[in-house]
Amino acid sequence: DAEITQSPRHKITETGRQVTLACHQTWNHNNMFWYRQDLGHGLRLIHYSYGVQDTNKGEVSDGYSVSRSNTEDLPLTLESAASSQTSVYFCASSANSNQPQHFGDGTRLSIL
Amino acid sequence: RKEVEQDPGPFNVPEGATVAFNCTYSNSASQSFFWYRQDCRKEPKLLMSVYSSGNEDGRFTAQLNRASQYISLLIRDSKLSDSATYLCVGGNQAGTALIFGKGTTLSVSS
Repeated sequence: DAEITQSPRHKITETGRQVTLACHQTWNHNNMFWYRQDLGHGLRLIHYSYGVQDTNKGEVSDGYSVSRSNTEDLPLTLESAASSQTSVYFCASSANSNQPQHFGDGTRLSIL
Repeated sequence: RKEVEQDPGPFNVPEGATVAFNCTYSNSASQSFFWYRQDCRKEPKLLMSVYSSGNEDGRFTAQLNRASQYISLLIRDSKLSDSATYLCVGGNQAGTALIFGKGTTLSVSS
């Protein structure tokens, strides 16, 4: 069955370190998204991609970057981790902008 | 006005009750709407799509009111297992992406 997987599921790191979170989907979806979720804020869009080599900034993109070199993967990089980036991160994909998004299990990231 | 807005609740109801949530949206041209369910900081899962003609799936009914720009979710005969956060989704103002509401928390008690 097609699926979307995130890794790692949990990570603890130190401020200033570079961190990369992986997202891999096997649906062959064009669209991929990264969100963070914090209490009181709901899901906030970080970056999204509508196809290979396409990336766009979302609502809270500062301090994050993505690259889309193939259809299946959209890794999220924190260039220099900050404690404010401690959060739960969800990756999602969809066939197009009018179709529902399917989510990965999430990555719990703690930055000390 | 926020692009997609929900009453955060919480809604506390007894088992067997009927409960309804509304979600307002600002982009009148938005074509796609969905309801998701999220349990305890797990990943959101698609509950149902919302069509212009309404959509029913067992105890759940979703409706779209374009004149007043809101979508609704009705849950009949609430179960303990319905306790969760319900997220509504609609198009953003630019029509380029889907936006999630912050969610409405439902707690069903025995």
